[in-house]
Amino acid sequence: KNEVEQSPQNLTAQEGEFITINCSYSVGISALHWLQQHPGGGIVSLFMLSSGKKKHGRLIATINIQEKHSSLHITASHPRDSAVYICAVALTQGGSEKLVFGKGTKLTVNP
Amino acid sequence: DTGVSQDPRHKITKRGQNVTFRCDPISEHNRLYWYRQTLGQGPEFLTYFQNEAQLEKSRLLSDRFSAERPKGSFSTLEIQRTEQGDSAMYLCASSLTSYNEQFFGPGTRLTVL
Repeated sequence: KNEVEQSPQNLTAQEGEFITINCSYSVGISALHWLQQHPGGGIVSLFMLSSGKKKHGRLIATINIQEKHSSLHITASHPRDSAVYICAVALTQGGSEKLVFGKGTKLTVNP
Repeated sequence: DTGVSQDPRHKITKRGQNVTFRCDPISEHNRLYWYRQTLGQGPEFLTYFQNEAQLEKSRLLSDRFSAERPKGSFSTLEIQRTEQGDSAMYLCASSLTSYNEQFFGPGTRLTVL
């Protein structure tokens, strides 16, 4: 079992729909990152959070430390939101500071 | 543009050749990370530096791989005697400290024929 699991793997939506991508993890973490990757490979950091909720424009990220779960929400989705969304956790085990990544959720927003 | 640059963007090489990639982080960032990403997968951690010190290496990093960060600025990742299984996107990221977000470069796509 991977330390970081994302769902769904693929998601197709119509423009304007509310999107939710989920991330569950099984280890102790110091922080959780949500990243966006467009075709061609470039990765952009969307959020880094260790508790509660953060909002940036149409994007909202929440984390529940007790349940080891985070969600990324996109309100009023747009075709330009089409990308792969990756959840990554910063481990705290054994002094390690590496990030462990989920496999990503491929989002396609149709006009 | 995140401020992190990587060179080259694409590299095609024959099996058995050596390749070297370069990463230039954001200038004031102390932390520099290398990741590898294969098609359809999330990135995997390879190694990271705090200034010029290499603090952690993944078991994925066989003895054919070596990374350096002389003077705590740019970093290089060298793969000796490349194998077809080394074909992947190699990503570099930097951060101010371990508690800050990471800024990713555009990646170097390696194809080993």
